[in-house]
Amino acid sequence: DAGVIQSPRHEVTEMGQEVTLRCKPISGHNSLFWYRQTMMRGLELLIYFNNNVPIDDSGMPEDRFSAKMPNASFSTLKIQPSEPRDSAVYFCASNQGVGTDTQYFGPGTRLTVL
Amino acid sequence: GNSVTQMEGPVTLSEEAFLTINCTYTATGYPSLFWYVQYPGEGLQLLLKATKADDKGSNKGFEATYRKETTSFHLEKGSVQVSDSAVYFCALSDNNNDMRFGAGTRLTVKP
Repeated sequence: DAGVIQSPRHEVTEMGQEVTLRCKPISGHNSLFWYRQTMMRGLELLIYFNNNVPIDDSGMPEDRFSAKMPNASFSTLKIQPSEPRDSAVYFCASNQGVGTDTQYFGPGTRLTVL
Repeated sequence: GNSVTQMEGPVTLSEEAFLTINCTYTATGYPSLFWYVQYPGEGLQLLLKATKADDKGSNKGFEATYRKETTSFHLEKGSVQVSDSAVYFCALSDNNNDMRFGAGTRLTVKP
């Protein structure tokens, strides 16, 4: 069974450009999470969807960040315009959304904004 | 709110040494507790978990026991290998699917 799939694995862009990160959760999972990992701040939850509906977006740093989940098998995280301080590894995770279920992580997208 | 505090790293050990990484938690209710491992360039992988007090999670020689009386979930391994070098995260999840991660502890095992 395929795990969580993220694309691209690496993204290098210039400041001011739009960046779109993509995630395909594990089939049958109802909840999807976007995290950001940096050396300074560790692992931060950005947004959490349940049944394609955003439940908690309090971790989204500012209006430049937006996330969508148009269907159960696809989600995007968009940064527009990107800034150098957005450079980080972005992880997507999913689970069945029941109680205290284990989260399963994708391999991450390493974003570098020049 | 719920939170996890884990031992700061980095931790450097020789091969076959005993490993302990401390983790304590603060939570209302009865959370599940997890240890995740992150190898270089990869995402987090579940290492082990425990869902109720006194449960012991174990995997690949690693163990952790859910201690409600001390609110702890310390990770142990009797004999580490070079291949165990990674970052280890303690985490808890409550019934609202709200998972909180510790800051991570980097382990380096030298031959």
